[in-house]
Amino acid sequence: GAGVSQTPSNKVTEKGKYVELRCDPISGHTALYWYRQSLGQGPEFLIYFQGTGAADDSGLPNDRFFAVRPEGSVSTLKIQRTERGDSAVYLCASSSAGTSGGYNEQFFGPGTRLTVL
Amino acid sequence: SQKIEQNSEALNIQEGKTATLTCNYTNYSPAYLQWYRQDPGRGPVFLLLIRENEKEKRKERLKVTFDTTLKQSLFHITASQPADSATYLCALVTDSNYQLIWGAGTKLIIKP
Repeated sequence: GAGVSQTPSNKVTEKGKYVELRCDPISGHTALYWYRQSLGQGPEFLIYFQGTGAADDSGLPNDRFFAVRPEGSVSTLKIQRTERGDSAVYLCASSSAGTSGGYNEQFFGPGTRLTVL
Repeated sequence: SQKIEQNSEALNIQEGKTATLTCNYTNYSPAYLQWYRQDPGRGPVFLLLIRENEKEKRKERLKVTFDTTLKQSLFHITASQPADSATYLCALVTDSNYQLIWGAGTKLIIKP
């Protein structure tokens, strides 16, 4: 398909474990975003990549969270020593990069539902 | 403090009527305001964007207004259909041009 894909769709883990969540953006999109959405809330910004580099990681809640995008396409969000409070849906979005400024529409994947027991 | 508020109670509308959803914000000066639709188990889907210097934007049965004095956006769906039932979220884009700041969404239920 041509949309943003995320794997796994569901992840159940135990407190203290390490998890990796994967995002495949739309081909050719240079910008990639991670969000976290708790039940009944809007998405919360975590990190933004432009190409391979993290242009803004100000939304990462603490140093247990880390994300990479080594080749400027697929991204992995990594969470160490998971806590029950990390349970949420983790959304990935991608967009093309405009050259003249202005906003570029973000296309979202279906999300990964993380449950920490 | 900075806040974006959407009605947390579900909105029940009879099929064929116009549904109106509200998004209020405080202490932001957004460059753009957007509306998204989100279905259960899915990511948000972009619907409409309106710029700070625009009063109104339309797309088919959808209409968005933006009042920067009132710090409010209204989202209208005319001739509503049961298929319009979903959660609708508003999001602000500030001068960063990429970071979306979201409301919690309003669940819309269109009854046949």
